[in-house]
Amino acid sequence: ILNVEQSPQSLHVQEGDSTNFTCSFPSSNFYALHWYRWETAKSPEALFVMTLNGDEKKKGRISATLNTKEGYSYLYIKGSQPEDSATYLCALPDEDSNYQLIWGAGTKLIIKP
Amino acid sequence: SQTIHQWPATLVQPVGSPLSLECTVEGTSNPNLYWYRQAAGRGLQLLFYSVGIGQISSEVPQNLSASRPQDRQFILSSKKLLLSDSGFYLCAWSVDRLSTGGNEQFFGPGTRLTVL
Repeated sequence: ILNVEQSPQSLHVQEGDSTNFTCSFPSSNFYALHWYRWETAKSPEALFVMTLNGDEKKKGRISATLNTKEGYSYLYIKGSQPEDSATYLCALPDEDSNYQLIWGAGTKLIIKP
Repeated sequence: SQTIHQWPATLVQPVGSPLSLECTVEGTSNPNLYWYRQAAGRGLQLLFYSVGIGQISSEVPQNLSASRPQDRQFILSSKKLLLSDSGFYLCAWSVDRLSTGGNEQFFGPGTRLTVL
């Protein structure tokens, strides 16, 4: 079974600071990687779908990079704001079933004002 | 555009009572449908998924069941709730987009279930 690991498990960041965290996965048989943001009491919201080695995607102050050869993706947040507080999840398609995503446990980001 | 509905939004049920949570999707045909649960302090756990009417795959053995009576309707049920069934239940849908990274999932608003 595909193993998706995220680190750190939680992160406290001062408002205005930039931060980043990691999603690690087996580099063999890579197909795609998904990043989601999950705010408390809401449902997860898709941020990025990344498919190509070296991909870099950006949405406002949030960006992500992908290295499929070494098996990791970084999510960056520039100039953190309180509204960035959320759990950030990464997920990859199951090797045996395209219908399923294998989810990491998430990085819980807390922005301190 | 596609939308996904879940109801109820919150539910408080006694132990041993039945459960029925409903999810419907609009604006797409033959979606893949999913039921997830987040227990307190834990991550997303896939409970069931369905790739078509009447086709249900169970990921976690438990006292829950799922049914898909119509193409865009997915129901989560239990005959007798346990305390451990408390949690946040999310329905999601996807369509196969193998050419673009496949199966991005879109989530409903969720149901907060408390079993007392």
